[in-house]
Amino acid sequence: SQKIEQNSEALNIQEGKTATLTCNYTNYSPAYLQWYRQDPGRGPVFLLLIRENEKEKRKERLKVTFDTTLKQSLFHITASQPADSATYLCALRGGATNKLIFGTGTLLAVQP
Amino acid sequence: NAGVTQTPKFQVLKTGQSMTLQCAQDMNHNSMYWYRQDPGMGLRLIYYSASEGTTDKGEVPNGYNVSRLNKREFSLRLESAAPSQTSVYFCASSEYTGELFFGEGSRLTVL
Repeated sequence: SQKIEQNSEALNIQEGKTATLTCNYTNYSPAYLQWYRQDPGRGPVFLLLIRENEKEKRKERLKVTFDTTLKQSLFHITASQPADSATYLCALRGGATNKLIFGTGTLLAVQP
Repeated sequence: NAGVTQTPKFQVLKTGQSMTLQCAQDMNHNSMYWYRQDPGMGLRLIYYSASEGTTDKGEVPNGYNVSRLNKREFSLRLESAAPSQTSVYFCASSEYTGELFFGEGSRLTVL
């Protein structure tokens, strides 16, 4: 069956370090992959989209990579700040539909 | 800019009661979605509507019905609520393959 996996354990890092979050998938051929941020009690907010033919995408301190051979995306936040603390969700759309399926998310905690 | 507006924000139901969650977007998007979010389960797609007049099942459609009333509005109905439907429900909209814009969520408790 199709599955999207993100680290279920919280990621704790020190302010100023680079945070790296992982999204692995099986039995998908995604056309693109998206990353979202979700704060407690709020709806998810879009961060970045990367297409299957793109290896890397950057936006300010954020960088996403997409390896369709490994079936994995990595999400990096450089020079992390306590304000970056949130849950980060990856989402895939595959095939001819526009169903967007989400992973369970990884909680990032940046310590000052 | 309102974006995606969901009502109600909170609701408590008794088992067997029915209710409708309302969602409206003002961004002229073609696609709309209903997700539920439960601890440890992430966001799961209930139903989506690729365009006005069409609806399709997502991952967990059982116990729910939807109506795409017009391009702006997409409602989710629980005909006979069950405790397993206690969750946070999110509506979202997008252009066909673009980013999703989410509402703030509707917190439903079924006793």
